[in-house]
Amino acid sequence: DAGITQSPRHKVTETGTPVTLRCHQTENHRYMYWYRQDPGHGLRLIHYSYGVKDTDKGEVSDGYSVSRSKTEDFLLTLESATSSQTSVYFCAISTGQGSSEAFFGQGTRLTVV
Amino acid sequence: AQTVTQSQPEMSVQEAETVTLSCTYDTSESDYYLFWYKQPPSRQMILVIRQEAYKQQNATENRFSVNFQKAAKSFSLKISDSQLGDAAMYFCAYFSGGSNYKLTFGKGTLLTVNP
Repeated sequence: DAGITQSPRHKVTETGTPVTLRCHQTENHRYMYWYRQDPGHGLRLIHYSYGVKDTDKGEVSDGYSVSRSKTEDFLLTLESATSSQTSVYFCAISTGQGSSEAFFGQGTRLTVV
Repeated sequence: AQTVTQSQPEMSVQEAETVTLSCTYDTSESDYYLFWYKQPPSRQMILVIRQEAYKQQNATENRFSVNFQKAAKSFSLKISDSQLGDAAMYFCAYFSGGSNYKLTFGKGTLLTVNP
């Protein structure tokens, strides 16, 4: 199995508080992605990174920020959590080389109350 | 921006029968890659099959095969001899290989396999 872990796995937080989710990889892959998964919406891209300190927005980036200060870690921050951000969050990594497979973390279930 | 559309929210198939899941995409790029991922109830994402856009030959992996129609921007997944373990959510995905390196997913198709 690819070395990718997400933490925490579960979190309940209150509306208005900041929350940071961590994605850690041991594969030295260049590309890292954050998605949210909601029923009826599939996997929607929040932000992604194509190198250290190089990030870009996905389709649902409002209310989220990311940072990647080293290859192995990609952090997703909800600046002020809202109930609409209750979701399952997945991190993925990829070499970005052609048809190479993307590997996914186990997911983080976040509940904002 | 590239988009991926899966028009079938749910599908069902009898065990041992064949089922086809549809996927269309929109892109102006010539260099890209397509994937089908499976997500069982465990939430783990599992690669089923992949296709390079520059290859005309359709990819196959055992009971799984694709019908890749580049001009029509269609990428359907055929599952032959369906098994109970094939029951899962299936996602079609597009990877932009030459420009922004985004990995974009469709909304998914929930496949039920009936015994």
